[in-house]
Amino acid sequence: NAGVTQTPKFQVLKTGQSMTLQCAQDMNHNSMYWYRQDPGMGLRLIYYSASEGTTDKGEVPNGYNVSRLNKREFSLRLESAAPSQTSVYFCASSERGWGGEQPQHFGDGTRLSIL
Amino acid sequence: RKEVEQDPGPFNVPEGATVAFNCTYSNSASQSFFWYRQDCRKEPKLLMSVYSSGNEDGRFTAQLNRASQYISLLIRDSKLSDSATYLCVVNNDYKLSFGAGTTVTVRA
Repeated sequence: NAGVTQTPKFQVLKTGQSMTLQCAQDMNHNSMYWYRQDPGMGLRLIYYSASEGTTDKGEVPNGYNVSRLNKREFSLRLESAAPSQTSVYFCASSERGWGGEQPQHFGDGTRLSIL
Repeated sequence: RKEVEQDPGPFNVPEGATVAFNCTYSNSASQSFFWYRQDCRKEPKLLMSVYSSGNEDGRFTAQLNRASQYISLLIRDSKLSDSATYLCVVNNDYKLSFGAGTTVTVRA
């Protein structure tokens, strides 16, 4: 059971470089999410996609873009990486919507360092 | 003020002990509530939903107090495997807000 797969698991970038974090889920979920987690803070939502073909900003979208490529895949792009984007990034998916009894399933995370 | 606040701990308890901790939330209109568990450097995983009437799942009991806007988690008969960070999660207007987590360490 793969669940939610994120690549890469680790990455070091220089300031100003760009990169794309990949996320794929095999649970046929409609909704997908990107979070970042920093020490002493809860997970913060960057962007989400309620369904294929739609994306919306979360709490901390600045400096990021996303693409919902198809129902399975949701990518996060850093166009010009900054040290403040050093973080652990989690992708998640859920069957539909936010609340009720729809738990979010998380990937293993991508540990990103910007020098 | 943060939407969800938790005592970071750590709570250091011996095996077999009972440990309990709370989480407070700021939005009185919050709709649903969860506890997630996160092991060191791993992804969060749903531990349990929290219902208005309170609910149990084995050794874990969750309570919701809407009047005082807090959620609690109690772990009975602690096991070494319960060592983790417990994240309080609140659903506000279809957006999940995560607390920073409460760390529990169970010692032999």
